Amino acid sequence: QLVLTQSPSASAPLGASVKLTCTLSSGHITYAIAWHQQQPEKGPRFLMNVRSDGSHNKGDGIPDRFSGSSSGTDRYLTISSLQSEDEADYYCQTWDTGIHVVFGGGTKVTVL
Amino acid sequence: EVQLVESGGGLVQPGRSLRLSCAASGFIFDYYALHWVRQAPGKGLEWVSGISWNSGSIGYAESVKGRFTISRDNAKNSLHLQMSGLTVEDTALYYCVRAAVGDGVDVWGQGTAVTVSS
Repeated sequence: QLVLTQSPSASAPLGASVKLTCTLSSGHITYAIAWHQQQPEKGPRFLMNVRSDGSHNKGDGIPDRFSGSSSGTDRYLTISSLQSEDEADYYCQTWDTGIHVVFGGGTKVTVL
Repeated sequence: EVQLVESGGGLVQPGRSLRLSCAASGFIFDYYALHWVRQAPGKGLEWVSGISWNSGSIGYAESVKGRFTISRDNAKNSLHLQMSGLTVEDTALYYCVRAAVGDGVDVWGQGTAVTVSS
């Protein structure tokens, strides 16, 4: 069964970096994922796709301080030079054969 | 500008039906799969249903299977979700989203709120 696992929360000081992890269930090591950001009281927005080789492509207007990487079944989102507006929920998402989509439980990022 | 605009949400009694719609613009509609994703108050994102570009492949979450029906009209650039047998657990903000073939969701609508309550 395809499952995405995320830590519930993460925090870092203003201007620092934070690295979020999304772990694919075993047997799905080749799967790509997408990262989405949801700021408080707003709808989600697409940040980037991250593939198993670590390559990633960002959505329009996503700042350079957002980057993606990969290792094994882990897919990462790194936010550098944290800004106050980066305080948000971050969801990873993948897709299975056919038309099924799976979301992780989300990570709440707090900027200290 | 790429846009997805949902409509049709509202307050409905348990057991009743509701039909959501999503109007797309700014992209070649039949190049993409489309999905409905919902978010209950204070909760995370939950995939509800998806449909391929030509309606040849359709899927539903277990929680809505047999009650919800997804459809699309490529001539009108529109997506629909017919919801029946609604329960309070279906109360959520419903988002229409786009996904390219072999890629993740990359465009979100602004959402339409569905409240199921007596």
